[in-house]
Amino acid sequence: KQEVTQIPAALSVPEGENLVLNCSFTDSAIYNLQWFRQDPGKGLTSLLLIQSSQREQTSGRLNASLDKSSGRSTLYIAASQPGDSATYLCAVRQGNNRLAFGKGNQVVVIP
Amino acid sequence: EPEVTQTPSHQVTQMGQEVILRCVPISNHLYFYWYRQILGQKVEFLVSFYNNEISEKSEIFDDQFSVERPDGSNFTLKIRSTKLEDSAMYFCASSEIGQPQHFGDGTRLSIL
Repeated sequence: KQEVTQIPAALSVPEGENLVLNCSFTDSAIYNLQWFRQDPGKGLTSLLLIQSSQREQTSGRLNASLDKSSGRSTLYIAASQPGDSATYLCAVRQGNNRLAFGKGNQVVVIP
Repeated sequence: EPEVTQTPSHQVTQMGQEVILRCVPISNHLYFYWYRQILGQKVEFLVSFYNNEISEKSEIFDDQFSVERPDGSNFTLKIRSTKLEDSAMYFCASSEIGQPQHFGDGTRLSIL
């Protein structure tokens, strides 16, 4: 059974610092990996999707890397802003269509 | 930008009653999903739906649950004989094949 772990569970950074969020998964046989943002009491907003054949994806200040063989992905957020405060979820998709989620990295950016 | 819409945003129901959660997926998407998130826990997969039938379901999705696409736009999750432990946020999602899954804002289900 796929297990997804996200470390750290929570972190606070001053505005302007770069954020590094880590995700690990136990079964490397994945189709893709998706990063989401979740605001309190809200739904999940898709940020980036990395196919299993890719090493990284970029969107604006966001960059996600994937090392499938070691079961790791990292989400980098450059020059963090208070509006980046949220929970970031990592999810992996295997041969079926289901996503297996981590518990999230809860981020607070301090102005 | 197209989005997945869910209704109601909050549903309060007495234990033992039936509830129907509704979703309108993105119009050109072919895959539909239900997930749930119990407070403080991970988002969990319930079921996926393609071509008018269930393509996969988790061990959580037992006979208490059912899904339906009653028309060309709606996708519903029915929970029969609700229990206290069914209290959770329920998310609907949709996608094209191999593409990101897009989630709705969820329905918060509270069982009393």
